[in-house]
Amino acid sequence: NAGVMQNPRHLVRRRGQEARLRCSPMKGHSHVYWYRQLPEEGLKFMVYLQKENIIDESGMPKERFSAEFPKEGPSILRIQQVVRGDSAAYFCASSVRQGALDEQYFGPGTRLTVT
Amino acid sequence: GENVEQHPSTLSVQEGDSAVIKCTYSDSASNYFPWYKQELGKGPQLIIDIRSNVGEKKDQRIAVTLNKTAKHFSLHITETQPEDSAVYFCAAPKWGNNDMRFGAGTRLTVKP
Repeated sequence: NAGVMQNPRHLVRRRGQEARLRCSPMKGHSHVYWYRQLPEEGLKFMVYLQKENIIDESGMPKERFSAEFPKEGPSILRIQQVVRGDSAAYFCASSVRQGALDEQYFGPGTRLTVT
Repeated sequence: GENVEQHPSTLSVQEGDSAVIKCTYSDSASNYFPWYKQELGKGPQLIIDIRSNVGEKKDQRIAVTLNKTAKHFSLHITETQPEDSAVYFCAAPKWGNNDMRFGAGTRLTVKP
């Protein structure tokens, strides 16, 4: 049973470009969470999605960031017009049941570098 | 919102010694407390968790204790080994239970 998959593992973008990060949850998991981790810091919640629904996006920056989890395919975290401050590791997690009451399993992360 | 405080930020122990990491949380409604281990360049890995209906849970060399009255929980690693060296994160649910709030992490170094 494959774990949470994320790609790409490393992504380099110039300022102003778009970044697309993909996450495939574990088989049988329908809840996806995105977190951002700055160097030497903990994980910060960004958004919680179920299939075709955004449940909680209270941690998402108001501009340039968006997320989706379509009926088919992976969840996508999209960052438009990237800036240097967006450089971080972005982790996706998935769970079987709703929210933080259930075990969340993390992917290996996408390390975004903005030059 | 929910705050999770984690101490210490760094911890160095000799192989074979015990290590203890402590976390406090602010939302008394929180009822699920996981611990994650993150190795360099990898994602966090769930190593143990506890729910509020128990005060202690053990899995081989790892144990977690929970004091709901004081709103703190601790990770205990006994007989530490060099491969235990990593960053450890505690977490607690945000009110409404849609997401986890993570502590800032503890960098554990086990010296051989």
